[in-house]
Amino acid sequence: DTEVTQTPKHLVMGMTNKKSLKCEQHMGHRAMYWYKQKAKKPPELMFVYSYEKLSINESVPSRFSPECPNSSLLNLHLHALQPEDSALYLCASSQWAGGRGNGYTFGSGTRLTVV
Amino acid sequence: GESVGLHLPTLSVQEGDNSIINCAYSNSASDYFIWYKQESGKGPQFIIDIRSNMDKRQGQRVTVLLNKTVKHLSLQIAATQPGDSAVYFCAENANFGNEKLTFGTGTRLTIIP
Repeated sequence: DTEVTQTPKHLVMGMTNKKSLKCEQHMGHRAMYWYKQKAKKPPELMFVYSYEKLSINESVPSRFSPECPNSSLLNLHLHALQPEDSALYLCASSQWAGGRGNGYTFGSGTRLTVV
Repeated sequence: GESVGLHLPTLSVQEGDNSIINCAYSNSASDYFIWYKQESGKGPQFIIDIRSNMDKRQGQRVTVLLNKTVKHLSLQIAATQPGDSAVYFCAENANFGNEKLTFGTGTRLTIIP
């Protein structure tokens, strides 16, 4: 298995909703990442988990809450989002922190729309 | 702040021709670079990487060149095909063990049949 699987592929949520994005990999990678990508822009790092511990939070608002239940799973809990949070949320993993070797493996993303 | 940027936001190339996508980076501490391809509706896909102790690396139909003197990176795609149409990003990482990968602004490559 050489994939990063993200669910759901699409999500529409209201500003008062609570939802979660899920990410799974079975490549034995020890670093996992959440990126946010707006249209026609590059991915921007949000969070990094290394060995299941949060190692980087790029000053992300607290309405985004990451969780790493085990080495294969990464969640992003969403609460009280704003319309400007609408974006493609990408999960990635790498064998080691920093992606040395074969870079990061990205999932196809969750297209989030906040209404 | 540090940034990784591209010279051209769009590039159109005739099918069968070679294409060159450029990238400038400003962090002199960067020592690892990756090129990604992103097709519509998909996540970025690893193409090729290069470490700062090299100035050239070749893959299948792709070559990455690194010029550390002028902090410039390029991706050459030989004999372009319609499937090469996508947005291409360069990304950089500084110092082994640093978990942050910074992406450039991207170039949209369009292959003209």
